[in-house]
Amino acid sequence: DQQVKQNSPSLSVQEGRISILNCDYTNSMFDYFLWYKKYPAEGPTFLISISSIKDKNEDGRFTVFLNKSAKHLSLHIVPSQPGDSAVYFCAASGSTTDSWGKLQFGAGTQVVVTP
Amino acid sequence: GAGVSQSPSNKVTEKGKDVELRCDPISGHTALYWYRQSLGQGLEFLIYFQGNSAPDKSGLPSDRFSAERTGGSVSTLTIQRTQQEDSAVYLCASSLYGGQSTEAFFGQGTRLTVV
Repeated sequence: DQQVKQNSPSLSVQEGRISILNCDYTNSMFDYFLWYKKYPAEGPTFLISISSIKDKNEDGRFTVFLNKSAKHLSLHIVPSQPGDSAVYFCAASGSTTDSWGKLQFGAGTQVVVTP
Repeated sequence: GAGVSQSPSNKVTEKGKDVELRCDPISGHTALYWYRQSLGQGLEFLIYFQGNSAPDKSGLPSDRFSAERTGGSVSTLTIQRTQQEDSAVYLCASSLYGGQSTEAFFGQGTRLTVV
């Protein structure tokens, strides 16, 4: 069963505008969330994370929002740049013994930033 | 090394043959993970090593899959009697301590094609 879902397989956004990527999860035991970025033929690279004790974390152009009651998080990229074109994966982990250290990933969202 | 290194980067094998995929984690990282990404899918957890603890093998899809980590460093993922559905990119990652809030660094992956 897919515990982390990214329902938008692709997103096209104009350079300079905001990119909003969404992620939903089903497991209420998840309490740590991460976003990874992946270019073709490369491994994913860590982008930003958020703990469940927070509802927002910001790092430069990237902000992650967490809505625990809705089991939803989003990644905002503003302003979007052509180099942001990549696949973005949402991931989650929990604090229980069977989920500790094991990241559950979504299927990814392909972002294309157009000039 | 500077990052997680995986070899080979590409592997084509005949159905029924055994394959070994290698991962060299970042020096000093105690945690090591294997994931795979099938075409159009997200990252699927396979196995997780943390220090000297027994590995979490809960993600291995069948008993044809096995992995070991020698000396707390290099890891080998072995797939016996390969099947076409094993075709995927196999990704290895390592992190300093493992568990939550520890950024995992990924290798570039091994693209396995079973013909």
